[in-house]
Amino acid sequence: AQSVTQLGSHVSVSEGALVLLRCNYSSSVPPYLFWYVQYPNQGLQLLLKYTTGATLVKGINGFEAEFKKSETSFHLTKPSAHMSDAAEYFCAVSDQSNTGKLIFGQGTTLQVKP
Amino acid sequence: DGGITQSPKYLFRKEGQNVTLSCEQNLNHDAMYWYRQDPGQGLRLIYYSQIVNDFQKGDIAEGYSVSREKKESFPLTVTSAQKNPTAFCLCASSIGIEGHEQFFGPGTRLTVL
Repeated sequence: AQSVTQLGSHVSVSEGALVLLRCNYSSSVPPYLFWYVQYPNQGLQLLLKYTTGATLVKGINGFEAEFKKSETSFHLTKPSAHMSDAAEYFCAVSDQSNTGKLIFGQGTTLQVKP
Repeated sequence: DGGITQSPKYLFRKEGQNVTLSCEQNLNHDAMYWYRQDPGQGLRLIYYSQIVNDFQKGDIAEGYSVSREKKESFPLTVTSAQKNPTAFCLCASSIGIEGHEQFFGPGTRLTVL
């Protein structure tokens, strides 16, 4: 069965510093992977996704993620954090049942300090 | 504007009372989903529907029921059997094919008085 693990429930960075949010997945076949962002009391918004092709995926708001099959990872990065990046981030993997269902990680809360 | 709407934003229910959360989409998506979000546990699937008049239980369906009479609507009823005092419920929709993202509504926060 597919699963997702996000390492670190809380990450704190200074404004302008590198953002690195970690996501590892388990899957028996090539996965479809997603990163979502959630601002307080709102729904989730898609940041980026990996399906096939280029393993470095660029998303909105300057975020990118790299699919590394050998490490079963899909870490999210941003070179320079902005105060507006403070939010909760979720990594998700398709459950491969061809229903469109997603399996979500536990989430990582990003704090950005001035 | 295409998107997903949920109502109400906040809902209070008394113990023993059933309440219904609304979810509507105008994206022409076949699949719709209900999740509950609890702190530290991410999103857990309550119910999902791939097509009109058909739906399946997710991982935490106990105490909930749904219907899918129209493509654009997927209401969730929280029954008295659901014991969680507070929940943030999110509705989503997608094309329903593997590899495609889900689009989310703004959520309903449900509190038991």
